[in-house]
Amino acid sequence: DAGITQSPRHKVTETGTPVTLRCHQTENHRYMYWYRQDPGHGLRLIHYSYGVKDTDKGEVSDGYSVSRSKTEDFLLTLESATSSQTSVYFCAISDERINYEQYFGPGTRLTVT
Amino acid sequence: AQSVTQPDIHITVSEGASLELRCNYSYGATPYLFWYVQSPGQGLQLLLKYFSGDTLVQGIKGFEAEFKRSQSSFNLRKPSVHWSDAAEYFCAVGGSSNTGKLIFGQGTTLQVKP
Repeated sequence: DAGITQSPRHKVTETGTPVTLRCHQTENHRYMYWYRQDPGHGLRLIHYSYGVKDTDKGEVSDGYSVSRSKTEDFLLTLESATSSQTSVYFCAISDERINYEQYFGPGTRLTVT
Repeated sequence: AQSVTQPDIHITVSEGASLELRCNYSYGATPYLFWYVQSPGQGLQLLLKYFSGDTLVQGIKGFEAEFKRSQSSFNLRKPSVHWSDAAEYFCAVGGSSNTGKLIFGQGTTLQVKP
């Protein structure tokens, strides 16, 4: 299995509070991605990174920001959590040297009350 | 616009029966195609992939998929389903861009009857 960890694995927070989710990899892959998974929607890309300090928006980026100061860490921040952001969040990594195959972390279940 | 459609939200098959999960895509360039499986409470695991060459690709756990360009399809098959195959299956498409972004279908939940 690819070395990807996510923390925390579960979190309950209140509306309006900031939340940061962490993705950590030990594979030294260049590309990292944040998805959210909701019933009936599959996985939707929030943000992605193609290198240290290089990030871009995905299809559902509103209300989220990201940062990548080191190759191994990719942080997702919900600046002011809302109930619509209750979801399961997955991090993935890929490497252009293996045709961008994506490998996924175990996920973080976030509940916003 | 690029998209992936998995027409079947939920499929039930008997153990030992054959399985086919459908995937249709819309993608302007030559696609990279993937199937992932997600067991309850778990992350996604790559089952198989198609980049080029032979249009019938073999994956893990006895799965295979066939790329049909004329039908814009990449259907997943297994000749004999096991109870442990019960899970959610996702088809995804990407291209040879420099971002590696994937577009996922909505997923198909497979239930296996004993």
